[in-house]
Amino acid sequence: GAGVSQSPRYKVTKRGQDVTLRCDPISSHATLYWYQQALGQGPEFLTYFNYEAQPDKSGLPSDRFSAERPEGSISTLTIQRTEQRDSAMYRCASSLLYGGADQETQYFGPGTRLLVL
Amino acid sequence: LAKTTQPISMDSYEGQEVNITCSHNNIATNDYITWYQQFPSQGPRFIIQGYKTKVTNEVASLFIPADRKSSTLSLPRVSLSDTAVYYCFLFSGSARQLTFGSGTQLTVLP
Repeated sequence: GAGVSQSPRYKVTKRGQDVTLRCDPISSHATLYWYQQALGQGPEFLTYFNYEAQPDKSGLPSDRFSAERPEGSISTLTIQRTEQRDSAMYRCASSLLYGGADQETQYFGPGTRLLVL
Repeated sequence: LAKTTQPISMDSYEGQEVNITCSHNNIATNDYITWYQQFPSQGPRFIIQGYKTKVTNEVASLFIPADRKSSTLSLPRVSLSDTAVYYCFLFSGSARQLTFGSGTQLTVLP
């Protein structure tokens, strides 16, 4: 696709419900990242994928958070038993390169605003 | 992960040059210095990156002294549309995530 897209753009849910957020990266990009951004703060890393492999999920705040990228393209982030503290903007980014030592530019999507009541 | 420190906010006027400095005393040998810009309700957008000395592109310049413990993003002749949050961070090839600093809210005044 032309850019990174995310859906839904907004999600309101009740505490205790499960939610799944979707990210559709730029089609040629091997690497996909998930970040959580609280209001007024910079994005915080959650996890990333190289194709379908998930080398690092150290940023996931608890075992209620999980992410998948089964075919190396679209990814989902699932939050089980949501809590009010999970309310935030969830951003997805993708980058072209896989591996290597040089930094590659990350392209961010518009984000999904999650509100847990 | 190496930590970065930036001013929380800066004000400037249209047409002026703006310099935002980022401190990263514990930068590692493999770290690249990168700046992103974020407008409200949008995701961050890459501006510039460098490893040492000076880098310039069509948008900005990045000055990095020899010890690499700081870097300065220079925006020439800012306009109102440059009002945004600017993030400095270090990227290490061994850890692919971006570790965003606190960000600097730049406000350009008419």
